[in-house]
Amino acid sequence: AQSVTQLDSHVSVSEGTPVLLRCNYSSSYSPSLFWYVQHPNKGLQLLLKYTSAATLVKGINGFEAEFKKSETSFHLTKPSAHMSDAAEYFCVVTSGAAGNKLTFGGGTRVLVKP
Amino acid sequence: DADVTQTPRNRITKTGKRIMLECSQTKGHDRMYWYRQDPGLGLRLIYYSFDVKDINKGEISDGYSVSRQAQAKFSLSLESAIPNQTALYFCATSEQVNEQFFGPGTRLTVL
Repeated sequence: AQSVTQLDSHVSVSEGTPVLLRCNYSSSYSPSLFWYVQHPNKGLQLLLKYTSAATLVKGINGFEAEFKKSETSFHLTKPSAHMSDAAEYFCVVTSGAAGNKLTFGGGTRVLVKP
Repeated sequence: DADVTQTPRNRITKTGKRIMLECSQTKGHDRMYWYRQDPGLGLRLIYYSFDVKDINKGEISDGYSVSRQAQAKFSLSLESAIPNQTALYFCATSEQVNEQFFGPGTRLTVL
C-alpha cells in the first residue's frame, strides 16, 4: 500500500520570500515521487519528479525537492515566491509494484501576497 | 494543440441521467486513466487501461463505467448520475512507469 500526506492544506507567503510545501509518503517498495501544480481552472502540470537518481531534484519555474528516505519526505521548495506561483500543489507517489497507479496527497493551496 | 483533450469541459445534468465524458490523446501512450477531484481529497482513480483490451477498476469505480474505443480514446460513463458525482474529472495518459500527462478537466454538476 502507498499513501501521501501533505502537511499543510494552505500556505501563505509574501512575494520574494521562500516557499516550503511539506510532503510525507508511505510506500512498501522503492517509490517514484512527483509534484504537480494546478493553476485555477487548469489541468495538472508536472513540476518535477524523483525516480531513484539524484535525491535533490530540480524542476521548472525554480522549484526543487529533496528525497529523504530516512524521513520518508519529499518537500518542495522555492527560494523566492512569485505571484504566478499562486496555485494548488499536489505531492504524488507511485511504484512499479503499484502498477503505475498514482496516489495523490490532498493538495496544498498557495497564496502569494504582494 | 493539446496532447490530451477532454469533452465536454463543463456539463450540468440532472439526477438519473446518463452522461458520457470523452478523452482523446495524441501522445501515442498505451496507458490511460480517469480521475475525479474533490476539494481536500486530491485526485482519486476511477478506472485505468493499460491497452485497448485491458480495463481495470480504480479505488472509486462504483457508479462509473469506461470504454477504450482505441489507443487514443477512453470514455467515462455515468449510467445514472447522482449529486455526489459532482466533481472535476481528469483524464491522463502515461508511458509505462512514468509521469502522467493530464487533460484540462471536465467540470460536472449533477442537480
